[in-house]
Amino acid sequence: DAGVIQSPRHEVTEMGQEVTLRCKPISGHNSLFWYRQTMMRGLELLIYFNNNVPIDDSGMPEDRFSAKMPNASFSTLKIQPSEPRDSAVYFCASRIANNEQFFGPGTRLTVL
Amino acid sequence: QKEVEQNSGPLSVPEGAIASLNCTYSDRGSQSFFWYRQYSGKSPELIMFIYSNGDKEDGRFTAQLNKASQYVSLLIRDSQPSDSATYLCAVFSGYSTLTFGKGTMLLVSP
Repeated sequence: DAGVIQSPRHEVTEMGQEVTLRCKPISGHNSLFWYRQTMMRGLELLIYFNNNVPIDDSGMPEDRFSAKMPNASFSTLKIQPSEPRDSAVYFCASRIANNEQFFGPGTRLTVL
Repeated sequence: QKEVEQNSGPLSVPEGAIASLNCTYSDRGSQSFFWYRQYSGKSPELIMFIYSNGDKEDGRFTAQLNKASQYVSLLIRDSQPSDSATYLCAVFSGYSTLTFGKGTMLLVSP
């Protein structure tokens, strides 16, 4: 069982550039979550998909952030344009029904 | 605004001692409660969950829930250096998402 897969694991970019983070949930899981973790704010939910449909995007900080889930096995989180304050670890998680959430290894994003 | 509060720590305990980690939550309608462990540079992993008032034991771990006081705790008996990590409390309030606390760092010294 491969678990939740995220890519890239590390991303360093310059302010103003577009960043795309990718996630492959565990096969059979119908819910997918994108989180951001920083020392200051902890683990924050950005957006939640159920059956590929965005259910709650109230945590998306601003219009620079967008997320898609074109099918059950793939999701992207895009930041355009990126800013230094977007530097954080971004986690994707998936689950089936209301059971345990499994987290991916995360993407460490640094915006210079 | 649903809030989950934890002392950031670090909580330092000697090897073999009992570590007690605490969490309070603001939403009285919260239904279930989770403890995740996160090693430095790694992703959170679930170690315990509890739904009902009282204690739930799993090996060296005991979760305690008091819904009247809106309080949940995690006890780690016979603490080991390998238990050194950040422990995240998470609350499920029936809206299909978890609200996480900022975590308590635990340091177990040999």
